[in-house]
Amino acid sequence: QLLVQQPGPGLVKPSETLSLTCAVSGGSISTIDYYWAWIRQPPGKGLEWIGSAFYSGSTYYNPSLKSRVTLSVDTSKNHFSLTMKSVTAADTAVYFCARQEAVAISDLLFDSWDQGTLVTVSS
Amino acid sequence: QSVLTQPPSASGTPGQRVTISCSGSSSNIGGHSVYWYQQLPGSAPKVVIYTDNRRPSGVPDRFSGSKSGTSASLAITGLRSEDEGVYYCAVWDDSLNVFFGTGTTVSVL
Repeated sequence: QLLVQQPGPGLVKPSETLSLTCAVSGGSISTIDYYWAWIRQPPGKGLEWIGSAFYSGSTYYNPSLKSRVTLSVDTSKNHFSLTMKSVTAADTAVYFCARQEAVAISDLLFDSWDQGTLVTVSS
Repeated sequence: QSVLTQPPSASGTPGQRVTISCSGSSSNIGGHSVYWYQQLPGSAPKVVIYTDNRRPSGVPDRFSGSKSGTSASLAITGLRSEDEGVYYCAVWDDSLNVFFGTGTTVSVL
């Protein structure tokens, strides 16, 4: 399976909403074998898990981001999405979507990633 | 700010062995599986070890993982220039969060 992030706004203004979508090709998103995850990396820094979603609608979020983030899975379009509201400069990062092979949410085998998209938050 | 501590850097000459540590606590490493990711410059991360010590197909057997108590380690034997990059450990935490380690930059001298 290949993950491809749809072209999105590379620049978002502070206080606005960031939206990203990741398409899954070569297989169905509606599988019990995987969660669908978002992970970000600020420039020059480490990795931060944003959250993971199951095709049935179950979602898990990083507690520090939970109040601003919504993950969703669209089985009809075979893609999953991230929405982050009230962004600040601290949200500037490369955003990766990833497939998480897991029986349980604690299984962190992110075995397929997209190339990442840089999102800059600036006025 | 990660709860998983890694040394900032590690280095070795070609053919040498390099070991990277990942220190956590009973709420993460002590109770859950550890995963290791390799991030080469300009690329997305790639898993090199999963479930503490298992290697995905295609990852050379030069890479090995171990865990003891609240710490884990990644060893690279027969170091090669293509191993240069940043390595992250990752673990689930009882706080219902996923933590990546602080990252270790591996250099081949």
